Amino acid sequence: EAQVTQNPRYLITVTGKKLTVTCSQNMNHEYMSWYRQDPGLGLRQIYYSMNVEVTDKGDVPEGYKVSRKEKRNFPLILESPSPNQTSLYFCASGPASGPYEQYFGPGTRLTVT
Amino acid sequence: GENVEQHPSTLSVQEGDSAVIKCTYSDSASNYFPWYKQELGKRPQLIIDIRSNVGEKKDQRIAVTLNKTAKHFSLHITETQPEDSAVYFCAASGNAGKSTFGDGTTLTVKP
Repeated sequence: EAQVTQNPRYLITVTGKKLTVTCSQNMNHEYMSWYRQDPGLGLRQIYYSMNVEVTDKGDVPEGYKVSRKEKRNFPLILESPSPNQTSLYFCASGPASGPYEQYFGPGTRLTVT
Repeated sequence: GENVEQHPSTLSVQEGDSAVIKCTYSDSASNYFPWYKQELGKRPQLIIDIRSNVGEKKDQRIAVTLNKTAKHFSLHITETQPEDSAVYFCAASGNAGKSTFGDGTTLTVKP
């Protein structure tokens, strides 16, 4: 089954404790992206990747890191999480390096206390 | 950078009526305009999209129109049904890969 998976789906952590949210897709998509969703603010792009080893900042990259060493994986790293990073995070992938449709993962609800 | 504004933020219609959601964008380099539907507790899903070389696209009860000169695009849903109730997001993106979403419209269809 073609899909985008994220792990973990739910996470409660404390300020400053490094964490990684994994994202994997099995559709051989070139494009991958991370978004955060907060009430009333829609989806805001954190980072995106047009292809392996190519990553770029979205609108809200501060406090986040990403890497794209393999085509299928695009982990999101929070080196020192803070309470303002409490949010719902979505990973997405798309079939080409360019403006095309995106397929979203199920989301990861992160709470930083 | 790109700025996408979406209106209205909430919309309530009677079953069978039409619903229209509008978005404006600022970057003339944007050339792809998708619409996503997000049901409560679920992931966003693409329902229709349009590219800048097309003025209108229709898929059964939903349609999207694009006015490139005025930099605005709209989602039209006809013969609304209760299962159309959800949050709808517009977005704009270009060849550089960046995607900017509107803040969303909560559509409620009353039976």
